[in-house]
Amino acid sequence: ELKVEQNPLFLSMQEGKNYTIYCNYSTTSDRLYWYRQDPGKSLESLFVLLSNGAVKQEGRLMASLDTKARLSTLHITAAVHDLSATYFCAVDTNDYKLSFGAGTTVTVRA
Amino acid sequence: NAGVMQNPRHLVRRRGQEARLRCSPMKGHSHVYWYRQLPEEGLKFMVYLQKENIIDESGMPKERFSAEFPKEGPSILRIQQVVRGDSAAYFCASSPGAGDVYNSPLHFGNGTRLTVT
Repeated sequence: ELKVEQNPLFLSMQEGKNYTIYCNYSTTSDRLYWYRQDPGKSLESLFVLLSNGAVKQEGRLMASLDTKARLSTLHITAAVHDLSATYFCAVDTNDYKLSFGAGTTVTVRA
Repeated sequence: NAGVMQNPRHLVRRRGQEARLRCSPMKGHSHVYWYRQLPEEGLKFMVYLQKENIIDESGMPKERFSAEFPKEGPSILRIQQVVRGDSAAYFCASSPGAGDVYNSPLHFGNGTRLTVT
C-alpha cells in the first residue's frame, strides 16, 4: 500500500520568512500533485509534477520532485497572510487513484 | 463554464437513514472519482467510475456503500443505514479520461458535508 507522509503537519510561519513542506512517499510514481484547501472549501490545484527533477513555481510557491528519493518539496518564499491554508501532496500510481498526505496546516502570523 | 458540481453541500441524516450524494462532472468529462475526507485528515480514494461502469471500488466499504454513474444524469454515491462514523466530507472529481490527461490535475467539486446525528 502506498504511504504518503507529509511534514510538518502544522507550520506556524512568520511573515516574510521562508519555509519548506516535505512530502515522502513509499512507492515509485512519476506523478505528484500539490493542492491547497481553505477551511470548509474544496481543493485547489497548485502544481502538477510529472517527472524526476521537475520544478514549478507560482508566485511565492515553488514545488519540486525527486522520484529517486521519492520526495517532493513545497517551498514558500517570504510568507504572507493569505498563504494560510492546509496544503496536501497527492501521489498517483494509477488512473488518478490518488494517495494523499495528511496535510500541512499553515498559519502565517505577522 | 461550470466545474464539478456536487449537491447537496450539507446533508444531515439520523443514524439508520440513507444518504444520497450527487456529482455532475465537468462538461466533456466521462470519468468520475469519489473521495472521502475525515476531519483533520487527507482525502481517501473510494471509487472510480466511467459511464455505466465501476472501474475501481477498492476504497469503498463493502457494506452499505454503493456508487453509480448512469448513462444520463449525475453520479450518485449512496450510503445506506448511516452511522456516526460516516460523518465526513465527500468530494467528487472528474477527468476527461482520454489523451494525456495526467498533465492536468484532478478537479474537485466543493464537496458534500455529511453529518450523522
